[in-house]
Amino acid sequence: AQKVTQAQTEISVVEKEDVTLDCVYETRDTTYYLFWYKQPPSGELVFLIRRNSFDEQNEISGRYSWNFQKSTSSFNFTITASQVVDSAVYFCALRAPYNFNKFYFGSGTKLNVKP
Amino acid sequence: GAVVSQHPSRVICKSGTSVKIECRSLDFQATTMFWYRQFPKQSLMLMATSNEGSKATYEQGVEKDKFLINHASLTLSTLTVTSAHPEDSSFYICSARMSEYMNTEAFFGQGTRLTVV
Repeated sequence: AQKVTQAQTEISVVEKEDVTLDCVYETRDTTYYLFWYKQPPSGELVFLIRRNSFDEQNEISGRYSWNFQKSTSSFNFTITASQVVDSAVYFCALRAPYNFNKFYFGSGTKLNVKP
Repeated sequence: GAVVSQHPSRVICKSGTSVKIECRSLDFQATTMFWYRQFPKQSLMLMATSNEGSKATYEQGVEKDKFLINHASLTLSTLTVTSAHPEDSSFYICSARMSEYMNTEAFFGQGTRLTVV
């Protein structure tokens, strides 16, 4: 069974603080893909990153970084020096390679960045 | 990047009426589009997979007669909520993928907030 758990329902930080959003996944597949999406108040889903299960290298993109740990089935997302514009709901998702249709989304973490 | 456009972004309708939501891929052809539903403060749940030129594939528990999906062209899929009721009020979001056989990203539309009164 595929499952994604985002235990943090809502996080509030003050601008310029660093914040980490947790994501834990379950799958029996050896090959899979993990994603992070941002959903601002306007509603659209903004693609942030895709990670192949064979690539455990951490990735940094500007203020964003991702820590993929296969041993703990986690794919955590860190925002450094958060900004008010980072306020949104962030979804972690899992997708199996044989079924390009189905994303298994976590329940989302609402991030509030206060000025 | 690829763009997926949904229309309308918001709609309010009376109970018992039908509402059509459009999902368009603007700069690529999408043989497959997907429709998701998101309840307030909850995650996205796949409702159905829309295939160009064939019947949609519905997820378990989704009423196909309630949520009619038509994928008439490679750039357009429509979701019609028939005889809408207040419990159908939700955020509906579509996504489209460029190719059936490549591991490409699925791009999401901006969503449609449906309110049935």
